[in-house]
Amino acid sequence: AQKITQTQPGMFVQEKEAVTLDCTYDTSDQSYGLFWYKQPSSGEMIFLIYQGSYDEQNATEGRYSLNFQKARKSANLVISASQLGDSAMYFCAMRRYNQGGKLIFGQGTELSVKP
Amino acid sequence: NAGVMQNPRHLVRRRGQEARLRCSPMKGHSHVYWYRQLPEEGLKFMVYLQKENIIDESGMPKERFSAEFPKEGPSILRIQQVVRGDSAAYFCASSPRTASSGNTIYFGEGSWLTVV
Repeated sequence: AQKITQTQPGMFVQEKEAVTLDCTYDTSDQSYGLFWYKQPSSGEMIFLIYQGSYDEQNATEGRYSLNFQKARKSANLVISASQLGDSAMYFCAMRRYNQGGKLIFGQGTELSVKP
Repeated sequence: NAGVMQNPRHLVRRRGQEARLRCSPMKGHSHVYWYRQLPEEGLKFMVYLQKENIIDESGMPKERFSAEFPKEGPSILRIQQVVRGDSAAYFCASSPRTASSGNTIYFGEGSWLTVV
């Protein structure tokens, strides 16, 4: 079965420090995509970063980077220099291209940034 | 270039009433996905539609829920005879015609349904 696992229900980080949010996935697909979304208290889903299964380089977007370890089936999100505005729920998701491109989401990690 | 538009943003219904949630995909997108987020949970896939076709409804409850994406107009998620357990956020996402790879999937801001 295709599955996304986020083992950290909640995380705390000090402002300006880096934090890693864990994500592991399970799939037999060869072609897939991995996403991270941020959901602040206002509720919208904000796209952060994407990694394709065939991409050899780890994706980076500003302060966000994705630590992609294909053999371990992990796609951890690293946020550098945390800011108070980073406090939110973070969801890891996998997109299955042989299933119409639908996304499968993990349960989420609630990140709290301390001043 | 408008993004994915969902309305209403917030909807309150009494038990037994019907709820209709609308989603207008981004211009040029012909794939629409609906997801449901129950309190304290991640998003769960419900249904995937292309114009005038339901492609995958494996996540839809068997009763009371239906979805359509007509040739003209928005996609509609319809919930008949709502119950308290239907209270959730419903998100729509859209993707271009050739959604074979890449990060080309965009979410709307969600519709929050409260059943009282």
